[in-house]
Amino acid sequence: NAGVTQTPKFRVLKTGQSMTLLCAQDMNHEYMYWYRQDPGMGLRLIHYSVGEGTTAKGEVPDGYNVSRLKKQNFLLGLESAAPSQTSVYFCASKGSGKETQYFGPGTRLLVL
Amino acid sequence: GQQVMQIPQYQHVQEGEDFTTYCNSSTTLSNIQWYKQRPGGHPVFLIQLVKSGEVKKQKRLTFQFGEAKKNSSLHITATQTTDVGTYFCAGPRAAGNKLTFGGGTRVLVKP
Repeated sequence: NAGVTQTPKFRVLKTGQSMTLLCAQDMNHEYMYWYRQDPGMGLRLIHYSVGEGTTAKGEVPDGYNVSRLKKQNFLLGLESAAPSQTSVYFCASKGSGKETQYFGPGTRLLVL
Repeated sequence: GQQVMQIPQYQHVQEGEDFTTYCNSSTTLSNIQWYKQRPGGHPVFLIQLVKSGEVKKQKRLTFQFGEAKKNSSLHITATQTTDVGTYFCAGPRAAGNKLTFGGGTRVLVKP
């Protein structure tokens, strides 16, 4: 059981470039989440999914898109990266009827 | 919208001393969760409190849920270097299987 995995671990982008962050979970969880973590700001929800084929906006969705084509995968896309998107991105998942969220190791993104 | 605040933001503790960190919600919570994030790591679930006034212990960590279910505290006794990290509280939002996280308390331990 790998739990929640994220790729890549670290990435440097130039302003305007695009990229996709991949999150995968092997716990058969229904719910998946993307957060960003900035110093002193805690964890802020970007987008989430309540099941395969569904997505919804969180607190800070602007500049990001997501897709959940398969239950085990949740992709976060940046179409045109901006320096304000420099952050650490965490994916999390949880089972239906459960409260606990399980986090991946994070992706550190630097946008120059 | 719902807000969850944690104080203090930073806590410098001498090894062996006790300290408490506090979590306050703007709304009544059905439950509260605590997570720990080690430096360079990811948040890891510690505990969930559900009942009003509930107290739970994990070794040197004592968690309490307020009577009004709007606040919580984490008390660590005899702090060790292994306690270094950021402690987050989180409460469920009214709708939709989402959590609102507090800003965290970053704990630094002086040996």
